[in-house]
Parts: sequence; structure tokens; C-alpha cells
Amino acid sequence: EIVLTQSPATLSLSPGERATLSCRASQSVSSYLAWYQQKPGQAPRLLIYDASNRATGIPARFSGSGSGTDFTLTISSLEPEDFAVYYCQQRSNWPPTFGPGTKVDIK
Amino acid sequence: EVQLVESGGGLVQPGGSLRLSCAASGFTFSSYSMNWVRQAPGKGLEWVSYISSSSSTIYYADSVKGRFTISRDNAKNSLYLQMNSLRDEDTAVYYCARGFFATVFDYWGQGTLVTVSS
Repeated sequence: EIVLTQSPATLSLSPGERATLSCRASQSVSSYLAWYQQKPGQAPRLLIYDASNRATGIPARFSGSGSGTDFTLTISSLEPEDFAVYYCQQRSNWPPTFGPGTKVDIK
Repeated sequence: EVQLVESGGGLVQPGGSLRLSCAASGFTFSSYSMNWVRQAPGKGLEWVSYISSSSSTIYYADSVKGRFTISRDNAKNSLYLQMNSLRDEDTAVYYCARGFFATVFDYWGQGTLVTVSS
């Protein structure tokens, strides 16, 4: 099973700042990596799939990059609604696996 | 508008059974694969099971293999998860999620809570 690690565990930032979240895979997942956002009491929401493709309705301030084992989710300028937990997930190998998450909270 | 609505969660004793349902609307259900993903209280996300659009391909996480059964009824736009021999560690919110490219989870239900406890 492919293990995903995310860093940092918590990111404390202010609205308007740039957020950079990292996801590393235990082996290459090519570009088959997605990012999800989850707010308390809500279901996850797909942000990015296949490393860099924004899902339907996702604002342009969210962008993804990377391939192989190292990936980045960037939020160019944090809006108040962006404070949440972010998970990466690979679909390269069965079973699909998720990272442990990065919490972006308000500084 | 795509909607997924889970039901069937509740409190069950260890060793018991429960059947979850997911009602889909707003898209051609028979054209998409579907998945169950769970989240234990305060924890991260764990994929549980996958079923292809025609039910011809099914996968399970090792943690539930032999105990859970996924199925679907395309005529009723519904997805199911039969859970048997439930354990404390199965306690979680269970989400149904549409599969885009099989396991890109592009739409999620609101989840249903399963609590396994004596």
C-alpha cells in the first residue's frame, strides 16, 4: 500500500497570506494525486485531481503541482472560508490511500 | 445538481450487522463507479470499498474484506454497504462518494454515523 505523508501537520496563517501544503508518497504515483478540503461537520470536497487539474467550481487561487512522489497544494491568498483540513489522496495503486491531513488555521 | 444521501447508520453491538444505503440523484447513476469512504471520530479518511458502474468489478480495503459487501441497484439509483461482524474500530462516519476515474471522489454525501459499542 502506498503511504502518503503530509507536512506540516498544522499551518497557522492569516487571511491574505499564501499557503503551501506538501504531500509525499512512499513510491511514485505518477500524477494520480488529488487534494480535498474538509471543514468541521462537512463532507470532504474535491479541489484538485491528477496533481494539477482544478475540479468543477474550484476558485483559481487553488493550484496543485508535482509528480512522482512530491506534490504541493498552493492557496495563493487565503480567504476566511479556506481555513480547513486538507487531505491528499493517490489513485495510482489499489487501495486508494489518503494522507493524514494538514490543518490550516487562523494565526 | 448531484446529490448523494446516505442512510442506515446507528448504534450496533460488536458482532452485529448494519446495512447502509446511498440514494443518488442529479446524474446518470448507472454510468459512474461508486465508493464508500469512512472517517473515524477525529481521524482521517479511509477508503472502504469500490464498485464499478455495472457491478462487474468490486474491491475492498483489507480491514473490511470478508465482512462488508458493496452492491448497487442502477434501476433504483442506489448504492449499498452490508456490514457484518462489526467491530469497535468500524465506528465512523460513512460517506458514499462518486468515482470519477474510479477513485477520484468528486461528489460526496453528507455521511451517516455508525457506532459500534456494547
